[in-house]
Formats: sequence, structure tokens, C-alpha cells
Amino acid sequence: EIVMTQSPATLSVSPGERATLSCRASQSVSSNLAWYQQKPGQAPRLLIYGASTRATGIPARFSGSGSGTEFTLTISSLQSEDFAVYYCQQYNNWWTFGQGTKVEIK
Amino acid sequence: EVQLVQSGAEVKKPGESLKISCKGSGYSFTSYWIGWVRQMPGKGLEWMGIIYPGDSDTRYSPSFQGQVTISADKSISTAYLQWSSLKASDTAMYYCARHENSAAAWGWFDPWGQGTLVTVSS
Repeated sequence: EIVMTQSPATLSVSPGERATLSCRASQSVSSNLAWYQQKPGQAPRLLIYGASTRATGIPARFSGSGSGTEFTLTISSLQSEDFAVYYCQQYNNWWTFGQGTKVEIK
Repeated sequence: EVQLVQSGAEVKKPGESLKISCKGSGYSFTSYWIGWVRQMPGKGLEWMGIIYPGDSDTRYSPSFQGQVTISADKSISTAYLQWSSLKASDTAMYYCARHENSAAAWGWFDPWGQGTLVTVSS
């Protein structure tokens, strides 16, 4: 099983600042990586697939990068609605999720 | 609009059986895999299994093989997740999600159902 490790567990950021979330795979997943956002009481929402392609309707302030085993989700200027938990997911070999990064208001 | 609508919250006792549902609309239900994902209270996401409603081809995560059964009725565009004997540790939110095909062997999940909360308590 491919293990996905996200860091940090919690990220405290002020509105308007940049947030950088990391995701590491235990073995190469090529670019077969997605990012999801989950707000309290809601289902996850797809943000990014193919490591760097924004899903339909996702604002340009969200960007993804990386390949192989190291990936990054960047939120360029945090808005109030962006405070949530973010999960990475590999789909190179079945599916596994990272444990999540909570982005909270500083 | 592509939509997955799940059945409502359930409260069950240990040992009881349960079948929850996920109804797809706005797309060809038989042409996309549907996955199930567990989220235990305060925890992360775990893939459980996936089904192709077109021919009911089903795959299970090793962690859930033998613990649950996934099925689908394409005539009513509905996928199911069922338990024959619930345990307290099955208490969780369960999500269905449509699998997006990609050039890779597998793809991502989008959209997701709203979730079904299953509570198992004596």
C-alpha cells in the first residue's frame, strides 16, 4: 500500500497570506495525485487532479505542483472560505489518502 | 448537473444489518465507477471499495474485504454499501463518490455524495 504523509498537521495562516501544504508518497505515484478540501459537516470537494490541474470552478488562487513522491498545494491568498482540512490522494495504485492538513485562522 | 444523493442517517445496534444507498443523476450511471469512502469521527478518509454499475465489477480495499458488500442496481442508478453484522467500530460517515476516468489505471473522485452517518450503539 502506498502511504501518503501530509505536513504540517495544522497550519495557522492569516487571511490574505499564502499557505503551502505538502504531501509525500512512500513510492512514486507519477502525477496521479489529487487534492480535496473538506469543510466541517461537508463532503470533500475536488480541488486539483493530475497533481496540477484545477477542477472545474476552482479559483486560480489554488495551485498544485510536484510529481513522483513530493507534492505541494499552494493557496496564494487565503480567503475566509478557505479555512478547512485538505487531503491529498494518490490514484496510481488503488487509492490512499493523506491524513489531512487543517488550515486554521491565525 | 452530476449529483450523488445518499440515504439518510442510521442508528443501529451491534449485530444488526444495514444497507445504505447512493443515487446518481445527471450522467450515464453505468459508465462510471462509484467508490465508497469511510470517515470515522474526527479522522481522515479511507477508501473502502469501488463498483462499476455497468457490469457490477467490484473491487475492495484489503482493509474492508469481507467486512462490507458493495452492489449496484443500474435500473435505478443506485449503488449500495451493506453490512451483515454491524460493530460499534463501524460508526462513521460514509461517502460515495463518482470515479473519474483518467489516462492512468485509476482516477480521482468527483463529485461526492453528501454522506450517510452510521451510528452503531447498544
